[in-house]
Amino acid sequence: DAGVIQSPRHEVTEMGQEVTLRCKPISGHDYLFWYRQTMMRGLELLIYFNNNVPIDDSGMPEDRFSAKMPNASFSTLKIQPSEPRDSAVYFCASSSPGGHTDTQYFGPGTRLTVL
Amino acid sequence: SQKIEQNSEALNIQEGKTATLTCNYTNYSPAYLQWYRQDPGRGPVFLLLIRENEKEKRKERLKVTFDTTLKQSLFHITASQPADSATYLCALAKGGGATNKLIFGTGTLLAVQP
Repeated sequence: DAGVIQSPRHEVTEMGQEVTLRCKPISGHDYLFWYRQTMMRGLELLIYFNNNVPIDDSGMPEDRFSAKMPNASFSTLKIQPSEPRDSAVYFCASSSPGGHTDTQYFGPGTRLTVL
Repeated sequence: SQKIEQNSEALNIQEGKTATLTCNYTNYSPAYLQWYRQDPGRGPVFLLLIRENEKEKRKERLKVTFDTTLKQSLFHITASQPADSATYLCALAKGGGATNKLIFGTGTLLAVQP
């Protein structure tokens, strides 16, 4: 398996622009997580899905952030409009609980810079 | 809310020594606790999981302990190697049935000197 795939790997945009980050989870995994990582706040959970349904979006910072999972193999995180304080590395992770662990498998991340 | 504390300062040790990293939490005891490794420019990679009813777990040169009385987990790397240099994150599974929701610490940077 290729693992969790994220695109783009790097994104540089200007304040006010819309940004869309993409994620393809590991095939067969029924949980998908979006995280944001900064030096100051570490790794923060933004939202997670189970079987394509959003379960907990309490970590989404504000209405400018939205996430969708139209099918089991694709999810997007959208920021509109973007602001400089959104600059961070955004990770997608997937997992398949029910085995002996609830291990999360992370993608390589998207480094977002908002100028 | 749950707070997780890991040493914010980097841990520098000599090759061959045992590295010990600390993870303290402040609120409820989690259902389980996980340790991840993160290299620069990459996503975290799972290393070990320990459940609340387990005191110790081992995997090759790695050992994790879990003390629910002290609200602390220790992560040990024995016979450390320069290749072990990375940031190590602990993560707690939030209780109340949402066992897939992890809360991460900010991580401790380990540097193993040759």
